[in-house]
Amino acid sequence: AQSVSQHNHHVILSEAASLELGCNYSYGGTVNLFWYVQYPGQHLQLLLKYFSGDPLVKGIKGFEAEFIKSKFSFNLRKPSVQWSDTAEYFCAVKVEADKLIFGTGTRLQVFP
Amino acid sequence: EADIYQTPRYLVIGTGKKITLECSQTMGHDKMYWYQQDPGMELHLIHYSYGVNSTEKGDLSSESTVSRIRTEHFPLTLESARPSHTSQYLCASSYTGTLEAFFGQGTRLTVV
Repeated sequence: AQSVSQHNHHVILSEAASLELGCNYSYGGTVNLFWYVQYPGQHLQLLLKYFSGDPLVKGIKGFEAEFIKSKFSFNLRKPSVQWSDTAEYFCAVKVEADKLIFGTGTRLQVFP
Repeated sequence: EADIYQTPRYLVIGTGKKITLECSQTMGHDKMYWYQQDPGMELHLIHYSYGVNSTEKGDLSSESTVSRIRTEHFPLTLESARPSHTSQYLCASSYTGTLEAFFGQGTRLTVV
């Protein structure tokens, strides 16, 4: 079955702390992976995406993610978070017919 | 900046009423999607469209219906709203051949 698992439901950090959000997927086809972010009161925005090539992908606002095929993982990282990173983060995999399968999301709270 | 709009942003309506959630995009995207999201849960695809006059049901069963008479417009209709329809509904669009989906701000529906 196609699925995406995000293991961290709620993460609380202080500013300047490092961040890693876990994402594991289950899909047997060609893998296209995404991280979306939803800031409070705003729409979902693409943070970064992987479709081929270098498994280390860099996105906006200093975020990066690493695709590890053997572990079916696509973890999101940021070396030093800021208060403005407070948001909900969703991992997604694109399956047939260009449909996106989302994880349950991780709520990140960053305190100054 | 995504040019995809949903109205209304918030809607509280009584049981049994007919409602239509509007979604429009100005990017000329051929594919459009409706997702349903409950608090703390993943986004579930309920409808999608490949283009004009094309509509398909998604992975999550829904009593709602959709239509795609124009490329830019993808409204979702509930003929008789029930409290179980209370949720957030997110519209998205993408262009065949690209990997990124753009999302609207969502409609938060409450049926009382």
